[in-house]
Amino acid sequence: DTGVSQDPRHKITKRGQNVTFRCDPISEHNRLYWYRQTLGQGPEFLTYFQNEAQLEKSRLLSDRFSAERPKGSFSTLEIQRTEQGDSAMYLCASSTVDTQYFGPGTRLTVL
Amino acid sequence: DAKTTQPTSMDCAEGRAANLPCNHSTISGNEYVYWYRQIHSQGPQYIIHGLKNNETNEMASLIITEDRKSSTLILPHATLRDTAVYYCIVRVENKIIFGKGTRLHILP
Repeated sequence: DTGVSQDPRHKITKRGQNVTFRCDPISEHNRLYWYRQTLGQGPEFLTYFQNEAQLEKSRLLSDRFSAERPKGSFSTLEIQRTEQGDSAMYLCASSTVDTQYFGPGTRLTVL
Repeated sequence: DAKTTQPTSMDCAEGRAANLPCNHSTISGNEYVYWYRQIHSQGPQYIIHGLKNNETNEMASLIITEDRKSSTLILPHATLRDTAVYYCIVRVENKIIFGKGTRLHILP
């Protein structure tokens, strides 16, 4: 257990529905990251926060995706109008300056 | 794209040292080499990182060549629980760019 928690661990939804995932980072970490991992691939960077500011977004983060970190603590990742291609593991990580520590991930299945 | 290349898979006998190689020939002078591993269906687990000196912790040792173009992760006494995908990463600013890693099989 790294101290990074994610909720839920598993989510099954129907195509077209909206889903929201939560990440609670290690408490003293001011940086928070979201990654997506599809089967057989390494995780891919989605976005990065320093405190409450979203400082970088990947081109993978389409306009159906939105991430927030309102008080610089926990973060949410919302996917609107889900598609079958959104099925993946969504990973959250946190850090101070350098080493990122990952949570257990949320596995999303879109039917 | 990932800045590292690793073998797709490796086998190691239980109790022996597992030596996982990584090439990072385009690494810049201030970029660190990181190693993570991912056991099936779990999040990546940090193992070790280094800049140019060799590093050791309770999990592993990291040997970086003098020209920094390659490195080796050493698990000194591999156990079945070390079966995982091992990722060698050159950290680029604030994000980690993962490759496909090395799938390490520990053989009983």
